[in-house]
Amino acid sequence: AAGVIQSPRHLIKEKRETATLKCYPIPRHDTVYWYQQGPGQDPQFLISFYEKMQSDKGSIPDRFSAQQFSDYHSELNMSSLELGDSALYFCASSSRQEGQPQHFGDGTRLSIL
Amino acid sequence: AQSVTQLDSHVSVSEGTPVLLRCNYSSSYSPSLFWYVQHPNKGLQLLLKYTSAATLVKGINGFEAEFKKSETSFHLTKPSAHMSDAAEYFCVVTGGTGTASKLTFGTGTRLQVTL
Repeated sequence: AAGVIQSPRHLIKEKRETATLKCYPIPRHDTVYWYQQGPGQDPQFLISFYEKMQSDKGSIPDRFSAQQFSDYHSELNMSSLELGDSALYFCASSSRQEGQPQHFGDGTRLSIL
Repeated sequence: AQSVTQLDSHVSVSEGTPVLLRCNYSSSYSPSLFWYVQHPNKGLQLLLKYTSAATLVKGINGFEAEFKKSETSFHLTKPSAHMSDAAEYFCVVTGGTGTASKLTFGTGTRLQVTL
């Protein structure tokens, strides 16, 4: 079965650079979520989209923005990168129906030098 | 607000012995609860989910969990551990009875399986 696809898998950037992470949800899933997992930490919710509209917002820095496109894929844009942004970024998708769980991609590991 | 507390940060069992990973939840209303597993450098895989149906939930790879409202617990169990079960396990809660809302993760329990 098709899963959530994230790209790139690994990304190395320097401080103050920008980065764009992409997420392709499972077909027919209409909701996308972004999470950040720091080293040895549990995942923290950043932001979510339903039908291309932002549906919920968590601890996402103002330097980050995200959107969901007409084909339901989503992009997380990160600017003025800081050392503390080094983390594993997960995308998850779900269908907005009762009891449908979120399915996660394998994540993008972002390293800031 | 919803939250989960995983009572053990690290659990070590011998291969072939039972596994018990403990989780307590706090929620203003009937929650949806999940267990996810994360192998090193991998994504999060759903083990099982509870969404107000049967209180005993069976998941993949022989895992199951029982929702106990009176104890506000959702402990994960497996009768016999396998080496491949070694991973980080997260107890997760989401708001309301649906799942189209953000997940709140516990701090994780690292399961070690020894020979």
